[in-house]
Amino acid sequence: DVQMTQSPSYLAASPGESVSISCKASKSISNNLAWYQEKPGKANKLLIHSGSTLQSGTPSRFSGSGSGTDFTLTIRSLESEDFAVYYCQQYNEYPPTFGSGTKLEIK
Amino acid sequence: EVQLVESGGGLVQPGRSLKLSCAASGFTFSNYGMAWVRQTPTKGLEWVASISTGGGNTYYRDSVKGRFTISRDNAKNTQYLQMDSLRSEDTATYYCARQGPRLRSPFDYWGQGVMVTVSS
Repeated sequence: DVQMTQSPSYLAASPGESVSISCKASKSISNNLAWYQEKPGKANKLLIHSGSTLQSGTPSRFSGSGSGTDFTLTIRSLESEDFAVYYCQQYNEYPPTFGSGTKLEIK
Repeated sequence: EVQLVESGGGLVQPGRSLKLSCAASGFTFSNYGMAWVRQTPTKGLEWVASISTGGGNTYYRDSVKGRFTISRDNAKNTQYLQMDSLRSEDTATYYCARQGPRLRSPFDYWGQGVMVTVSS
């Protein structure tokens, strides 16, 4: 199985700041990488697919980059609604696998 | 609006069975692959199974092969997960998720999840 290593596991930031989350795959996954947002009481939301393509409805302050094994999710000018848990996931091969998550909290 | 609503969760004894359902609305169900994903505090998010648009192709994680069966009824816009020979390690919140029509697709919509507890 492809192992997805996500870091950091915890991140504290203030509204208006920018943050980045890293996701590393144990082997090349091309650009078959998605980022999700998890918030209490809400369904998980697909933010980005294909490494850098924003899903419809995802604000432009979110961006994704990378290919192969190294990927990054960047959120510019954090807003209050962005404080959540973020997961990466590879869908290049079965079984699809997820990172362990990054909890983004308000500083 | 795409909606996925899971049902059928609960408390079940080890070795027994449980069947989850996922009612879909807001899109042409038969055009999309579907999946089940589970989550626990210790293991995080784990993909469980996927099914192709017509139901002819199914895929499972190794730990549930031979015990779980994913299926769908396109006339009812519903997918199912039959879980047999349940083990304590199957305890989790189970999410229904929509995949694209291709085998390699992300999960673009999720349900809110249903809890399954396997315990005596």
